[in-house]
Amino acid sequence: EPEVTQTPSHQVTQMGQEVILRCVPISNHLYFYWYRQILGQKVEFLVSFYNNEISEKSEIFDDQFSVERPDGSNFTLKIRSTKLEDSAMYFCASKTGRGGELFFGEGSRLTVL
Amino acid sequence: AQSVTQLGSHVSVSEGALVLLRCNYSSSVPPYLFWYVQYPNQGLQLLLKYTSAATLVKGINGFEAEFKKSETSFHLTKPSAHMSDAAEYFCAVSDFNQGGKLIFGQGTELSVKP
Repeated sequence: EPEVTQTPSHQVTQMGQEVILRCVPISNHLYFYWYRQILGQKVEFLVSFYNNEISEKSEIFDDQFSVERPDGSNFTLKIRSTKLEDSAMYFCASKTGRGGELFFGEGSRLTVL
Repeated sequence: AQSVTQLGSHVSVSEGALVLLRCNYSSSVPPYLFWYVQYPNQGLQLLLKYTSAATLVKGINGFEAEFKKSETSFHLTKPSAHMSDAAEYFCAVSDFNQGGKLIFGQGTELSVKP
């Protein structure tokens, strides 16, 4: 069964460092998303991406964050200068169309020290 | 703006007992509603969804949910809990006309006692 894959599963970094989280969405999907879940809190929308551009972003997705689909298969989330409060589980998700089911990856846990 | 409220951050039931997880939504347009399950150290898996067809929706693993517009609710039920149902459950709302992002509730952790 096709699945969304994310790497790394866990990353520990120092505050101020750049982090790139990688996702390989399901191959025929066209809509891509990043969500995050701070420990003990709800899953929060970060950004959606369609047709090679950001279609929507939340207040959380400030200038420190960026997304890219560099090669037509990977979908990356970059945090330019990590802060302690960026520690969270980051989920990538994708779907075929606007009304389709959203498939989630297993998440990348980011710990900022 | 859309929002979801899940009543009860933690629900505990005995094996074989009824499972009822509560979800209320707020939406200015007809909502699409979802329940996702998250097992420990895993991603989010879709249990079921309501997209304006039948108000009683059946999902995987014996779960079902009923959309009640008058109560703005979409509670999740299962007649008989199994130990393997222990997980975190998230209710979510989406407006496809705005690109289909999901707004999640706070989650309810379900424990099942033997």
